[in-house]
Amino acid sequence: EVQLVQSGAEVKKPGESLRISCKGSGYSFTDFWISWVRQMPGNGLEWMGRIDPSDSYINYSPSFQGHVTISTDKSISTAYLQWTSLKASDTAMYYCARHVHGDYIDSWGQGTLVTVSS
Amino acid sequence: QLVLTQSPSVSASLGASVRLTCSLSSGHSSYAIAWHQQQPEKGPRFLMKLSTDGTHIKGDGIPDRFSASRSGAERYLTISGLQSDDEADYHCQTWDIGIQLFGGGTKVTVL
Repeated sequence: EVQLVQSGAEVKKPGESLRISCKGSGYSFTDFWISWVRQMPGNGLEWMGRIDPSDSYINYSPSFQGHVTISTDKSISTAYLQWTSLKASDTAMYYCARHVHGDYIDSWGQGTLVTVSS
Repeated sequence: QLVLTQSPSVSASLGASVRLTCSLSSGHSSYAIAWHQQQPEKGPRFLMKLSTDGTHIKGDGIPDRFSASRSGAERYLTISGLQSDDEADYHCQTWDIGIQLFGGGTKVTVL
């Protein structure tokens, strides 16, 4: 069974750094891209960027370029989303998702809620 | 510019059918899309991919009540025999070189 298991909820203060994770299992991790998707409270889904775990090639959405860093450690089948300086506006649910053939998403993580508040 | 447009909401009675629309922007009418369901307080779930030739690939366990079709730049998701747990947000997704894109989502209310 394909599973994407994300790390737990986080509560942080503005200016703090954070890295959340997404561990894939039940499939060959390097054969499928992983995307990160943001969902702010009451809003729709926003694509942030994607990584090819086989070579770590990354595309970022222009809306998120420079604000987050996506990475992967294929030795442990895990993708990461990282901030160096959080803002209150980063408060959202974050999902990782697996792409088939580099296009459609066929599997989602359960989500990681990030709350940034002073 | 590649854009997906969805109606914000639709409602229908228990047992009825409902058709959701996802519109592709001008110049992108041939693109494939995928549909995802997000029940209240849950993460998204992949429903199906609708290919450029009209064929589709469903996610595991997705019932036959869910079907997809296309006409021009419009992409449709039809839910037949509406059930209470079909009440959810439905998101369409498409892709191009270097980008992924979601529509704004349609909230389905079951009356």
